[in-house]
Amino acid sequence: DAKTTQPTSMDCAEGRAANLPCNHSTISGNEYVYWYRQIHSQGPQYIIHGLKNNETNEMASLIITEDRKSSTLILPHATLRDTAVYYCIVRSVYNQGGKLIFGQGTELSVKP
Amino acid sequence: GAVVSQHPSWVICKSGTSVKIECRSLDFQATTMFWYRQFPKQSLMLMATSNEGSKATYEQGVEKDKFLINHASLTLSTLTVTSAHPEDSSFYICSARVLVSGAVSYEQYFGPGTRLTVT
Repeated sequence: DAKTTQPTSMDCAEGRAANLPCNHSTISGNEYVYWYRQIHSQGPQYIIHGLKNNETNEMASLIITEDRKSSTLILPHATLRDTAVYYCIVRSVYNQGGKLIFGQGTELSVKP
Repeated sequence: GAVVSQHPSWVICKSGTSVKIECRSLDFQATTMFWYRQFPKQSLMLMATSNEGSKATYEQGVEKDKFLINHASLTLSTLTVTSAHPEDSSFYICSARVLVSGAVSYEQYFGPGTRLTVT
């Protein structure tokens, strides 16, 4: 699976949009981009995933560039409860039994 | 939604003893479960993949005789840390892959984690 690069940490003001970038320049055609987050001392929580089209659900939006080499997770109105570590993971659905390999992620701090 | 539970949520044990951690999928069947370990301020590290009715597949560097995994049913996998030592103190997290009828879904749902402290 392709490697991902994320900023170590980011701050965001409560109520504003949080835009979390992820670089995956070596992504291949059958690899999806997944986002999970982990609130302190809890298990990771699935947020969203996509292949090449932009995706939106009740939690977030995922914007994938046309060349698929990078993506941005958008939390439209961040709240204090969105403070967590956000993991961007690239994974082939045909490979490795679907296991997820976590990188270091981005620690998002939402401040009042 | 798909819910995964772990028991216990935290445990303290003495060095040299064994500890069993359970991972259950509460409202779905999971042919595959995964076990992760997480040290403070670090990311999750995959330890092993557990398939129902067969032997677990361990990641490189993970001692299979120390971390015994059993996946006896479609809703339960257990991780036993044998002869635990202080360096095994960590946050252990399981995840379960949702089995969708007629196809294999690659969605994984995570348990809340078990904090193990070995004294």
